[in-house]
Amino acid sequence: AQKITQTQPGMFVQEKEAVTLDCTYDTSDPSYGLFWYKQPSSGEMIFLIYQGSYDQQNATEGRYSLNFQKARKSANLVISASQLGDSAMYFCAMREGQEGGGADGLTFGKGTHLIIQP
Amino acid sequence: DAGVIQSPRHEVTEMGQEVTLRCKPISGHDYLFWYRQTMMRGLELLIYFNNNVPIDDSGMPEDRFSAKMPNASFSTLKIQPSEPRDSAVYFCASSAYRGLGNTIYFGEGSWLTVV
Repeated sequence: AQKITQTQPGMFVQEKEAVTLDCTYDTSDPSYGLFWYKQPSSGEMIFLIYQGSYDQQNATEGRYSLNFQKARKSANLVISASQLGDSAMYFCAMREGQEGGGADGLTFGKGTHLIIQP
Repeated sequence: DAGVIQSPRHEVTEMGQEVTLRCKPISGHDYLFWYRQTMMRGLELLIYFNNNVPIDDSGMPEDRFSAKMPNASFSTLKIQPSEPRDSAVYFCASSAYRGLGNTIYFGEGSWLTVV
């Protein structure tokens, strides 16, 4: 079974609109961390935001926020006031806790290709 | 501050040739990761090191792949002999410490094409 599922292969959004990118995850470990990365067409992987499983509040970083719904095992990325420069691939990733034998690396979803239209 | 530095950025090689990818992690980072990205399989963790010691190489596809980290500031990923199915983007990444919230920082990737 996939540990990280991103159900939107591609999305088109009008500039200045808010965007929600979906991510669901699968783990039996009570301790885990969730990450979002951006990969523009130039190819580099850019860290955006992190949410820990025990964090009480949703993480925010500037225009990025993470809508964390633990019971649903979802960690959607919300981008407010989208810009043309937001066009990129977006990856959700998870690190499981050591109690469950989790490794130090991240497991990634397949990604969502976001295109912002003017 | 310098990020993770990878070389070469692009390489085209013929099937059967040896390929060596190089990586310099962020100074002070104890963990180094090698990932591979393909359209079919997405991002896969190949191997990672802690304090220059390989910890988990279960993602290395086969014996043609090998990785070394002779010191804290340098790592190599070698493919010998290379095959067309090895064509991919290979990322090196590093992180500072162990822990759930520890961010992994990626290099710009090495784009490998085997013809």
